[in-house]
Amino acid sequence: DAKTTQPPSMDCAEGRAANLPCNHSTISGNEYVYWYRQIHSQGPQYIIHGLKNNETNEMASLIITEDRKSSTLILPHATLRDTAVYYCIVRVSFYNTDKLIFGTGTRLQVFP
Amino acid sequence: EPEVTQTPSHQVTQMGQEVILRCVPISNHLYFYWYRQILGQKVEFLVSFYNNEISEKSEIFDDQFSVERPDGSNFTLKIRSTKLEDSAMYFCASSDGLNYEQYFGPGTRLTVT
Repeated sequence: DAKTTQPPSMDCAEGRAANLPCNHSTISGNEYVYWYRQIHSQGPQYIIHGLKNNETNEMASLIITEDRKSSTLILPHATLRDTAVYYCIVRVSFYNTDKLIFGTGTRLQVFP
Repeated sequence: EPEVTQTPSHQVTQMGQEVILRCVPISNHLYFYWYRQILGQKVEFLVSFYNNEISEKSEIFDDQFSVERPDGSNFTLKIRSTKLEDSAMYFCASSDGLNYEQYFGPGTRLTVT
């Protein structure tokens, strides 16, 4: 089962920041938080990941709380093309394998 | 930018037939995965593959499923005898290391009639 919980849906006005929360209270010390998004039925698209520090790239910022039990994905200036389902994932790794366990995600609707 | 490619984009088959879904992972990647998504449902992990063998498989990945890397560039998923419930989008992904991002292909829509 997914180790994360997210709100099922959110709205955001175009040009505003979209802040997508995620709870992962059972995360282990060496597990990473990953964010992906899926537009329609396309393949999931990698956005960003982090372990304990805040991260930023050209797409988004990831804020992880100090206790690592929750995180927030920030899209600084949402556009209509950011309308998608956003998945917060705790990546499970073992000796020579790992896998992404997707939950139901947050459906973000960006409106004009 | 390198990307994962998958063929065909849509496959229609009759129940009981064998299908092979093909994927070309990113060239320097070493870890390969298959996921599936039944319409309206979550993306589900099927199998991971490293060093020419299966690393892990889910409960979904039963004896009807197999994977292969036949020629060093392709990565295939075979379903021996398809069932109606195998209808789904199948996504291939690849990664160049553990705890590195997985890059997904565009998917193959499999329809079993």
